[in-house]
Amino acid sequence: ELKVEQNPLFLSMQEGKNYTIYCNYSTTSDRLYWYRQDPGKSLESLFVLLSNGAVKQEGRLMASLDTKARLSTLHITAAVHDLSATYFCAVGSGGSNYKLTFGKGTLLTVNP
Amino acid sequence: NAGVMQNPRHLVRRRGQEARLRCSPMKGHSHVYWYRQLPEEGLKFMVYLQKENIIDESGMPKERFSAEFPKEGPSILRIQQVVRGDSAAYFCASSPPLAGNNEQFFGPGTRLTVL
Repeated sequence: ELKVEQNPLFLSMQEGKNYTIYCNYSTTSDRLYWYRQDPGKSLESLFVLLSNGAVKQEGRLMASLDTKARLSTLHITAAVHDLSATYFCAVGSGGSNYKLTFGKGTLLTVNP
Repeated sequence: NAGVMQNPRHLVRRRGQEARLRCSPMKGHSHVYWYRQLPEEGLKFMVYLQKENIIDESGMPKERFSAEFPKEGPSILRIQQVVRGDSAAYFCASSPPLAGNNEQFFGPGTRLTVL
């Protein structure tokens, strides 16, 4: 059974600081997704990582994938309050990687 | 292009009643997925459907839960004789056929409360 672990689960940081969220998974996959969820809202797709070594950046967020280590990272640069949300990684499995297994999420709070 | 639509957004049921959750995928999407999110947890896969077919229901509880995606109309997740433990947010996602990255687009969710 595929297991996905995120850490930390809670992250409180000051504006302007940098930090990294880690996502480890237990079995081989080459499909990894990062989502953002605001309280009471749906999931917003941030990044789709499809191959070993993939790196994607959008604004202050950068995601990378190491399929050999079964590890993805979400790096936050110079955090701002608007980034406060819960961030989930999800790993694809099944014939076309359709079955997403989610981590428990990282609740990020950015303080002024 | 409207996103994934779900209704109702909030649903309150008493124990023993039935809950019906509806999901209309994005235009052009023929694959639908249902996930359940318990408080403070990530989403858990329940079922994957294509039009008139259940492809994978390995995440569905064996009893009381069923799902369908008819040729016409929305996908329905049906929960019979609800219990308090069914209280959760239920999210539907859709994807287009043969998508290279199989990116799934999520609806706003239905928050089910069982009294």
